[in-house]
Amino acid sequence: DGGITQSPKYLFRKEGQNVTLSCEQNLNHDAMYWYRQDPGQGLRLIYYSQIVNDFQKGDIAEGYSVSREKKESFPLTVTSAQKNPTAFYLCASSIGETSDEQFFGPGTRLTVL
Amino acid sequence: DAKTTQPTSMDCAEGRAANLPCNHSTISGNEYVYWYRQIHSQGPQYIIHGLKNNETNEMASLIITEDRKSSTLILPHATLRDTAVYYCIVSGGLTGANSKLTFGKGITLSVRP
Repeated sequence: DGGITQSPKYLFRKEGQNVTLSCEQNLNHDAMYWYRQDPGQGLRLIYYSQIVNDFQKGDIAEGYSVSREKKESFPLTVTSAQKNPTAFYLCASSIGETSDEQFFGPGTRLTVL
Repeated sequence: DAKTTQPTSMDCAEGRAANLPCNHSTISGNEYVYWYRQIHSQGPQYIIHGLKNNETNEMASLIITEDRKSSTLILPHATLRDTAVYYCIVSGGLTGANSKLTFGKGITLSVRP
């Protein structure tokens, strides 16, 4: 089965700790994205990557970092510099240059205690 | 800078057609109209997209006005499982570097029994 997986589904962390959210896809997609969603709001783009070893900041990149060492993987680190990290985080992928159809993972709900 | 305007919510009866409107009066010639939906606490799901011709797939139909300033997503026979937030998005399309979808708040569709 092809798709995008995110783990874990629920994540709790103490204030001041960094935490890394996993995103893996086996769709052979070039492009991958990270979004954040707050209650009752739309999605906001954090980072995106069009190709391996390259990524760009989205609209709300402050306090986050990413890496793209492999085509299949695009992990997101929420650092202690992110002032309001509690949110629903969604990862997506797309073929890249020929399509804006993005395929989304199930999401990770991060709660900072 | 919102590119699309949607009502906040609407409802329809199960088995009837659901017609979801979207205004995009500032759409430019090479921009596509995309529709996604998000069922509660899940990742968004692609529905359909179009440039200027009407489009239909197994999920829905997309009707775009001749001047392209508005469109309507039609779910021909709504079911309870169609209850979700529906996002209308205008995107550059087919240009990988610009594949950044901006998700607003969308319209909440409630299908009643």
